[in-house]
Amino acid sequence: SQQGEEDPQALSIQEGENATMNCSYKTSINNLQWYRQNSGRGLVHLILIRSNEREKHSGRLRVTLDTSKKSSSLLITASRAADTASYFCALGEAGSYQLTFGKGTKLSVIP
Amino acid sequence: DAGITQSPRHKVTETGTPVTLRCHQTENHRYMYWYRQDPGHGLRLIHYSYGVKDTDKGEVSDGYSVSRSKTEDFLLTLESATSSQTSVYFCAITTPGGTNVLTFGAGSRLTVL
Repeated sequence: SQQGEEDPQALSIQEGENATMNCSYKTSINNLQWYRQNSGRGLVHLILIRSNEREKHSGRLRVTLDTSKKSSSLLITASRAADTASYFCALGEAGSYQLTFGKGTKLSVIP
Repeated sequence: DAGITQSPRHKVTETGTPVTLRCHQTENHRYMYWYRQDPGHGLRLIHYSYGVKDTDKGEVSDGYSVSRSKTEDFLLTLESATSSQTSVYFCAITTPGGTNVLTFGAGSRLTVL
């Protein structure tokens, strides 16, 4: 199974700025998900976007999916110190209950 | 981490000893997973289960076995631990609704000396 690749590996921004992280993949997917992991904790699901969707919003999160480019982006607007965490994209393939995770983007939001 | 607990949360053991990690859920979910997380590798699937006594291998299953004798418990066993199995292990369950959205446990940190 394939693995998503997040970019950048690490990102440092000031509180109030927007943070954008990207995920690229190689073969077709059924859905793509984003998860957050605070230091020392388990992953928490943020948002799911299906292959037939182009954009989804959830609070300060905006996710886009471009299946022609095989890429997705996660935008966090008006970032807060509490957004400091690692963010992972996860690929869901058709007919499978498995998810394949990328290596993550480590976001630091400086107060 | 509501509804899913992992034990032990921390364990230090020596090379060659057997180790069993336990994942317990109270949600009655069918699918359960074991992942390991290592720096530079992200999360990698070890084994998963799609029902009692129904399990299958993931990406990095060598050196691991699993068992699921009850819906609520999914055990991960390292028959003879090696230093390369030092890692943080996460259990996850699939949330209801027909999608593959996962809920994760808090993790078990295993150190093999």
